[in-house]
Amino acid sequence: NAGVTQTPKFQVLKTGQSMTLQCAQDMNHNSMYWYRQDPGMGLRLIYYSASEGTTDKGEVPNGYNVSRLNKREFSLRLESAAPSQTSVYFCASSPRGAQSNQPQHFGDGTRLSIL
Amino acid sequence: AQSVAQPEDQVNVAEGNPLTVKCTYSVSGNPYLFWYVQYPNRGLQFLLKYITGDNLVKGSYGFEAEFNKSQTSFHLKKPSALVSDSALYFCAVRLSITGTASKLTFGTGTRLQVTL
Repeated sequence: NAGVTQTPKFQVLKTGQSMTLQCAQDMNHNSMYWYRQDPGMGLRLIYYSASEGTTDKGEVPNGYNVSRLNKREFSLRLESAAPSQTSVYFCASSPRGAQSNQPQHFGDGTRLSIL
Repeated sequence: AQSVAQPEDQVNVAEGNPLTVKCTYSVSGNPYLFWYVQYPNRGLQFLLKYITGDNLVKGSYGFEAEFNKSQTSFHLKKPSALVSDSALYFCAVRLSITGTASKLTFGTGTRLQVTL
């Protein structure tokens, strides 16, 4: 009964390094999302994937890329990390179609620090 | 465009007293509204939602919320607070269009502190 699994849970990078955050869901959901959470700013959508094979920009996409590898997996890549990308990153998934009014399910987050 | 406002950064309440966490929203159409709770070092957990129908919706852990269309509000309530309710609460909104990805807009969160 894993739900949404994110790896790693913690990571420290140096400015300019690259990294991929992994996310997998086992609920057979069509849609997946990446958010960042910063103090006082709530959650902001970085990218989302409405269904396998599609990705779209969210509110704050600059500096990130995503890959929807298959229906289960959705990864987030930082090509050249910057201190402004220090944040907690959450992956979420949800059904689509007739079930699209159902809530999103969240992973436990990746805490990323960039020095 | 859609937006959510949670006007209180923190709400303090004594255990056993009723609690209210406020949320107002703006969306160009009919909304779907959600409340989530976040405990330390965890992801967001779904509490309840308003889709359509009865304006008073009941959710997990004894929480409920009232949808008020004229005031564009969706306040979270609980009749008797517990210390274990202390957490960060998020309100979220999206347009009520079925068949699309559920692009939610979140408020900035309200920290609920329940004391003995």
